[in-house]
Amino acid sequence: DTGVSQDPRHKITKRGQNVTFRCDPISEHNRLYWYRQTLGQGPEFLTYFQNEAQLEKSRLLSDRFSAERPKGSFSTLEIQRTEQGDSAMYLCASRTSVGQETQYFGPGTRLLVL
Amino acid sequence: GEDVEQSLFLSVREGDSSVINCTYTDSSSTYLYWYKQEPGAGLQLLTYIFSNMDMKQDQRLTVLLNKKDKHLSLRIADTQTGDSAIYFCAESGPNAGNMLTFGGGTRLMVKP
Repeated sequence: DTGVSQDPRHKITKRGQNVTFRCDPISEHNRLYWYRQTLGQGPEFLTYFQNEAQLEKSRLLSDRFSAERPKGSFSTLEIQRTEQGDSAMYLCASRTSVGQETQYFGPGTRLLVL
Repeated sequence: GEDVEQSLFLSVREGDSSVINCTYTDSSSTYLYWYKQEPGAGLQLLTYIFSNMDMKQDQRLTVLLNKKDKHLSLRIADTQTGDSAIYFCAESGPNAGNMLTFGGGTRLMVKP
């Protein structure tokens, strides 16, 4: 399977704990995006990488959120001191930076903060 | 900022056509997309259209774009129960790495 994969698929945590999610993009895609989707809403952009460089961050990405893509392949999204409002589906997408314009999404990580 | 709007809900009978509508505000949009999301799943790309086109057809799917009115629609011919899902309209422009701005989604219910 050469699609976008995300791990874990589900995460339940207590308020105040730290969580980390992983995304493995399609192998030849150099752009990687993170989105957040709350219940009943469309996904909202959080941040994106071109290779290992993080080039844009949304104002939704508070100081408690950090994303990395150290070798330009997989990416991690960490949330520190989780709050109940962080409960959402976190979606990762990837694409090439030239030509094809479409982003391909992973299955998402559903986070529930108790 | 950019805004994408969709109606919340559409109900059709199996075999009928479904038309899902979307409006957007960003005049610099270059591509417009339709994604499908089934319960608990990620987003599946259905089709997309470049902003200088006004129509695209792909099997049972027809996308119409009225760039002047910033209106996009998705027509699904011969709708099946397996088409029941949430459909998201999205647009991308030249900024922020061509990030996608999504509408709130239209829930399509297909009755047998």
